[in-house]
Amino acid sequence: DAKTTQPNSMESNEEEPVHLPCNHSTISGTDYIHWYRQLPSQGPEYVIHGLTSNVNNRMASLAIAEDRKSSTLILHRATLRDAAVYYCILRDLPRDDKIIFGKGTRLHILP
Amino acid sequence: DAGVIQSPRHEVTEMGQEVTLRCKPISGHDYLFWYRQTMMRGLELLIYFNNNVPIDDSGMPEDRFSAKMPNASFSTLKIQPSEPRDSAVYFCASSLLVDTQYFGPGTRLTVL
Repeated sequence: DAKTTQPNSMESNEEEPVHLPCNHSTISGTDYIHWYRQLPSQGPEYVIHGLTSNVNNRMASLAIAEDRKSSTLILHRATLRDAAVYYCILRDLPRDDKIIFGKGTRLHILP
Repeated sequence: DAGVIQSPRHEVTEMGQEVTLRCKPISGHDYLFWYRQTMMRGLELLIYFNNNVPIDDSGMPEDRFSAKMPNASFSTLKIQPSEPRDSAVYFCASSLLVDTQYFGPGTRLTVL
């Protein structure tokens, strides 16, 4: 399985943008980059995914490097409710019908 | 939609007892996943079903664990006999085809 590398933890100030990095140097051409997050005492929830182009939705933006060996999840204006563990995952869709979670990045938001 | 429903939300039991965790997936979803989360091992996939059929149970830790999906709207994860090292949060998730997975609130299991 293609693997991802994320920092163990990050801190950011409230109401400032947050850039969460993910390295995936062994990504294959058919791997989609997915992000999930897990808020305290809750199950993981989907955030965003993309293949080659940058993606935006109401929760976040996903910036994908031109060589696809890295990506960045961008929270444009972090709030205290964004404090969570963020997981970067590669999925070879539609072949990969399961998700393997790594350790993710624990994001702390400072008021 | 009510989302994925899990019961009970908390379970405290004694070593050696049988534990049954329950999950109701989102209506219409054809995949169901069982995960376990601990501080030491993180979020682990235990087993998953497609159209009520188990596809991959390689994550099930040992024979004390079993899972069933008798119909499209119900699944159970059973531990018999339970041990203290089984203490964890157990999540159920469902998805339509291989799309986004939706997780339940989890069951926190404590085995004394």
